[in-house]
Amino acid sequence: KAGVTQTPRYLIKTRGQQVTLSCSPISGHRSVSWYQQTPGQGLQFLFEYFSETQRNKGNFPGRFSGRQFSNSRSEMNVSTLELGDSALYLCASSQDRGTGELFFGEGSRLTVL
Amino acid sequence: DQQVKQNSPSLSVQEGRISILNCDYTNSMFDYFLWYKKYPAEGPTFLISISSIKDKNEDGRFTVFLNKSAKHLSLHIVPSQPGDSAVYFCAATRTSGTYKYIFGTGTRLKVLA
Repeated sequence: KAGVTQTPRYLIKTRGQQVTLSCSPISGHRSVSWYQQTPGQGLQFLFEYFSETQRNKGNFPGRFSGRQFSNSRSEMNVSTLELGDSALYLCASSQDRGTGELFFGEGSRLTVL
Repeated sequence: DQQVKQNSPSLSVQEGRISILNCDYTNSMFDYFLWYKKYPAEGPTFLISISSIKDKNEDGRFTVFLNKSAKHLSLHIVPSQPGDSAVYFCAATRTSGTYKYIFGTGTRLKVLA
């Protein structure tokens, strides 16, 4: 079955702009998580959605937001972009909590100029 | 507060030898641990996991050891192959409730032919 799909794969924005990233989870997976990867910081947890509800949130400013639709697809939005927002944004899906592994997409590489 | 730490940013090993990647955690409530491998331009892929009720889990060339008293886990790769060259992330979570997955900063493994 199809894996986790993230769009766009690459994008370039300028400071002050806003960006929306999209994630389509594996069919049947209801949990979608978002992570930010930067050099030296590993995978920083942004938020997790399950059945259209945000269940967990990381320590990111309010400029970072997300949502999940009834078909489990998810979007994340970053407003008023800063240079430090340049990163690889990864989406992961899982069937549910517990011992389920996360399945990651290939990520969206955001560059802020 | 980095609850999951990988103190070695990089590791080089000769092909055929053992690779040992280490991970420490601070939250005693974590009871499920995973290792992910990431190649450039790809999303992380699940490698192996271990529950806190075990101290060892093996899958082919990969073995994960868990020392709960030391809050330490390690991933052993034997024998190491050039294709194992990647960034390895450890992750931890609590299986009760809806706790998030916390990832370490990663260790870049280079297997020399």
